Amino acid sequence: NAGVTQTPKFRVLKTGQSMTLLCAQDMNHEYMYWYRQDPGMGLRLIHYSVGEGTTAKGEVPDGYNVSRLKKQNFLLGLESAAPSQTSVYFCASSYGAGPYEQYFGPGTRLTVT
Amino acid sequence: SQQGEEDPQALSIQEGENATMNCSYKTSINNLQWYRQNSGRGLVHLILIRSNEREKHSGRLRVTLDTSKKSSSLLITASRAADTASYFCATDVLYMGSGGGADGLTFGKGTHLIIQP
Repeated sequence: NAGVTQTPKFRVLKTGQSMTLLCAQDMNHEYMYWYRQDPGMGLRLIHYSVGEGTTAKGEVPDGYNVSRLKKQNFLLGLESAAPSQTSVYFCASSYGAGPYEQYFGPGTRLTVT
Repeated sequence: SQQGEEDPQALSIQEGENATMNCSYKTSINNLQWYRQNSGRGLVHLILIRSNEREKHSGRLRVTLDTSKKSSSLLITASRAADTASYFCATDVLYMGSGGGADGLTFGKGTHLIIQP
């Protein structure tokens, strides 16, 4: 099993450009999450999904949109990138809520100039 | 805002020594998890401890939880160079989104552990 994969691994955007980050998991997990990690910081939750067709806001949702059209995929979109969105983005999935571990992807390093 | 705070922010020890890092949190929890992150990689789950547990072991890892003090500690015994990484505690948090509530995790800033050979 590949676990959680993320595409792309690196990306450089100019301010105002848009892009979509793709997350895929092959563990049949219901829950999926998008986090961002800034230098010296822990992870902050952007959006999450509790199942196919559902999405919800996390701690820092502004400037991002998400979609979960298929159970195994969770897309994170930036409609108009800003330098403040320069970060490392991690996708994660879990079997359920509560006492379940989250499985993380390798991350996408995004730079917005 | 971040729930958990790890202490110390950085720790450097000799290989073979024990490493202890602490986590404090602010509000009541159902469970607490510890994760490891190697440089430039995603997080890897280490151990989960429930609020009704006081101590848990997994290999060279020992986690304690004191809910009265809202704190947890992670002990790594007989450290190895491969243990060099950042360690994060994560506590459950309830996010109220469309369709109802869902438990998520909130992470601290981490302890960066360096094992000197």
